[in-house]
Amino acid sequence: GEDVEQSLFLSVREGDSSVINCTYTDSSSTYLYWYKQEPGAGLQLLTYIFSNMDMKQDQRLTVLLNKKDKHLSLRIADTQTGDSAIYFCAETPRLNYGGATNKLIFGTGTLLAVQP
Amino acid sequence: DGGITQSPKYLFRKEGQNVTLSCEQNLNHDAMYWYRQDPGQGLRLIYYSQIVNDFQKGDIAEGYSVSREKKESFPLTVTSAQKNPTAFYLCASSGDTDTQYFGPGTRLTVL
Repeated sequence: GEDVEQSLFLSVREGDSSVINCTYTDSSSTYLYWYKQEPGAGLQLLTYIFSNMDMKQDQRLTVLLNKKDKHLSLRIADTQTGDSAIYFCAETPRLNYGGATNKLIFGTGTLLAVQP
Repeated sequence: DGGITQSPKYLFRKEGQNVTLSCEQNLNHDAMYWYRQDPGQGLRLIYYSQIVNDFQKGDIAEGYSVSREKKESFPLTVTSAQKNPTAFYLCASSGDTDTQYFGPGTRLTVL
């Protein structure tokens, strides 16, 4: 079955690095995404990684993908108070015949609290 | 200024009423989606449409209806058959890359 799991809460000090973790069950997933949601707002796409990659870096964000363990992580360097939000991991599973779907399976989100 | 807009931002409904949530995009995306978000939970897919005049049920379609008469618009009607409609509703769209971009959301409260 399709399932995405995340820890519920992470607290870090301003300036430290944050690492948000995600595990998924569908080993045939095509893309894996990280979205950010601020209070009362929609989801903002942060970054994504294709399943044949193991790392992607974009400014302060680093995504690591371990396909063997079905583990995805998002590292935020030099975390700022403006990074406080809920972070969602999401995957796009493949169809039985191997084609990609555009259906997103979301985790429950990790609340990142940045202490000044 | 391209993007996805949702209106209204806040919506109040009395028991037994149908209400319609608006979603518009000017990104020229073919696919559009509606999700429901409840506190402490991830997003659940209500309906999606991959092309004009066509749409499919998602995981929690009961009590909801949609239409897709124009590429830019994908309105969601929450009917009186939806037993627990109070939630945050998010609309998204995707183009050639299948990456979904989200609108700002509508918070629906049943009085």
